[in-house]
Amino acid sequence: GNSVTQMEGPVTLSEEAFLTINCTYTATGYPSLFWYVQYPGEGLQLLLKATKADDKGSNKGFEATYRKETTSFHLEKGSVQVSDSAVYFCALHGSSNTGKLIFGQGTTLQVKP
Amino acid sequence: SQTIHQWPATLVQPVGSPLSLECTVEGTSNPNLYWYRQAAGRGLQLLFYSVGIGQISSEVPQNLSASRPQDRQFILSSKKLLLSDSGFYLCAWNPDRGDYGYTFGSGTRLTVV
Repeated sequence: GNSVTQMEGPVTLSEEAFLTINCTYTATGYPSLFWYVQYPGEGLQLLLKATKADDKGSNKGFEATYRKETTSFHLEKGSVQVSDSAVYFCALHGSSNTGKLIFGQGTTLQVKP
Repeated sequence: SQTIHQWPATLVQPVGSPLSLECTVEGTSNPNLYWYRQAAGRGLQLLFYSVGIGQISSEVPQNLSASRPQDRQFILSSKKLLLSDSGFYLCAWNPDRGDYGYTFGSGTRLTVV
């Protein structure tokens, strides 16, 4: 079945450091891929998405490229800020599903000043 | 534009008491609707989803039930709460297109005491 695996956290970085959060997936066909962010005490917000191979999703300085050959969708940001501290979830929608998304377990990012 | 409302924001309930959480979506018709639970420091667990009025699919056996009495209303209930029902409950919706992703509500923090 479809699944998403994220790197375990927490990830702790200093302000202005480079961020990578790894995400790999298992799916049949050509899934759509998503990154969601959850700030403390809030619901999840869509951060970016990519719907086909080699697409790059980007938003608020974050980027992720849909790599079908490595079944990956790693999240990157060149210079993190304290305000980026949150939990990040990778997710996929498989082509055979209803509207359901499959989520990874989440990665907590802590950015220190 | 579409919006999703979820209430209450926080709830403290004694063990054995009933529960009713409500979620409504505005600005769209026939949405797919979802209930998730997030235990402290954990990932997302899909509890129920619905693709239409009166159509409920349960993902895990548990002490909870869901109903969809109207097109844009989704209710999560329990007759008798357990301590293990504590958590952060999130409602989400999407149109019947997986590549759209979800829009989440702001969540309900439930503490069973």
